[in-house]
Amino acid sequence: QVQLVESGGGVVQPGRSLRLSCAASGFTFSSYGMHWVRQAPGKGLEWVGLISYDGSSKYYADSVKGRFTISRDNSKNTLYLQMNSLRAEDTAVYYCAKGAVGVLITTSFDYWGQGTLVTVSS
Amino acid sequence: DIQMTQSPSSLSASVGDRVTITCRASQDISKYLNWYQQKPGKAPKLLIYDASTLQTGVPSRFSGSGSGTDFTFTISSLQPEDIATYYCQQYDNLPLTFGGGTKVEIK
Repeated sequence: QVQLVESGGGVVQPGRSLRLSCAASGFTFSSYGMHWVRQAPGKGLEWVGLISYDGSSKYYADSVKGRFTISRDNSKNTLYLQMNSLRAEDTAVYYCAKGAVGVLITTSFDYWGQGTLVTVSS
Repeated sequence: DIQMTQSPSSLSASVGDRVTITCRASQDISKYLNWYQQKPGKAPKLLIYDASTLQTGVPSRFSGSGSGTDFTFTISSLQPEDIATYYCQQYDNLPLTFGGGTKVEIK
C-alpha cells in the first residue's frame, strides 16, 4: 500500500533553515509528481509547491518562492523540502502528497503523508 | 491566481440529513475540481476528483457536480463518521488553490 512518511519538523528560530523529508513506498515513486501542502494551526490548506516525476520541473507558491526548494532522490524514493529564511508565518503542519496522474503537473492528490509540524519561533 | 470560495464555512445537521456545500471559482476551471475530507488531527483524504468522479473506496453517499465556476458537494445522508472539514481545490492552473473549508458538525 502507498505510504508517505514525513520527517524533519521541529522548532526553529526565524531566519534559520530546516529540511523536511518524505519517504515514499508502495508505488513507483519515479513515475509521479509530488507536492508539498501546508496547514497553519487552525487554518486551511495551502499548496506550497511541486516537483515533476523526473525532477525537471518545479513550481512554487509566491509565499515561498526564493526561500523554499523542492527536490527528490528517485533512487531513495524520497522527496525533500529545503526551507530557508524561515518566518513565523511559515509555522504549519507540512504534508507531502502524491500526484494522482504521474506525468501531469496539475492533478489531484490521491495520497497524503501524516504531516510534520514546523514551528518558527524565537 | 484562481480564488476558490466555499460556503458555508460551517454547518450543523442531523444524522440522516442531506448536506450540501458549494464552491465557486473566480474563473472557469472546467471540471478540474477536487473535494477532500479532513478529520481532526488527520491528513486530508481525496473524495471526489474531476468535479464528480468518486475516488475508489469512497462511500456512494458522497457526490459532486458542476463545471465552469460553480460546483456542489453533497452528502446524501449524513453519518456520524462524516464529521470533518471539507475542502474544494482547483487544479486547472498553477498555483493550485483550495477553498477555505466547510466544517460539518452533528446537531
